[in-house]
Amino acid sequence: NAGVTQTPKFRVLKTGQSMTLLCAQDMNHEYMYWYRQDPGMGLRLIHYSVGEGTTAKGEVPDGYNVSRLKKQNFLLGLESAAPSQTSVYFCASNPVLMTGGAYEQYFGPGTRLTVT
Amino acid sequence: AQKITQTQPGMFVQEKEAVTLDCTYDTSDQSYGLFWYKQPSSGEMIFLIYQGSYDEQNATEGRYSLNFQKARKSANLVISASQRGDSAMYFCAMRERGNFNKFYFGSGTKLNVKP
Repeated sequence: NAGVTQTPKFRVLKTGQSMTLLCAQDMNHEYMYWYRQDPGMGLRLIHYSVGEGTTAKGEVPDGYNVSRLKKQNFLLGLESAAPSQTSVYFCASNPVLMTGGAYEQYFGPGTRLTVT
Repeated sequence: AQKITQTQPGMFVQEKEAVTLDCTYDTSDQSYGLFWYKQPSSGEMIFLIYQGSYDEQNATEGRYSLNFQKARKSANLVISASQRGDSAMYFCAMRERGNFNKFYFGSGTKLNVKP
């Protein structure tokens, strides 16, 4: 099992450019998430998905769009990148939750994005 | 209001000593889960330990234990016998029963283990 993988690992964009970050998981997890982590801070939820074909907004969704066309993939798009979107982006997934929500989230290695 | 509060931005501990990282949480749900993650300088997020709100005993995983005080809404991480490899950022997180789709993360504590 590769777990959760993210593509690319690093990217530099100019202001106004667009790009798509790909997250893939091979654990058959229902739930997938995109977070951003700014320097010295915790993780903030951008968007999440509770199953194939579904998406929902998180804490900081503005400037991002997502799609979950296949269960194993969750794409994060930036239509017009801004310097404020310079951050490390993490994808995470977990299985359907049992009572108590015991399952931890499994994280990808992160994508370091710089917008100049 | 902040769901998860970590009041120690940075801490130092001597190698082989124990250290406690503080975490308080805010929820009105009766059923919730508390998690700790470690993020070394390489950047990956490593799950350490989980505590359920109905668990009567404190969770333990090797050198990690979670000091769960429900009435005070605190979930402190205790690392015993600190090692150099424990130097990292540590994040406390919570998931509520009524909102299973979301994790809430604290701002983290940077731990430095001194030789």
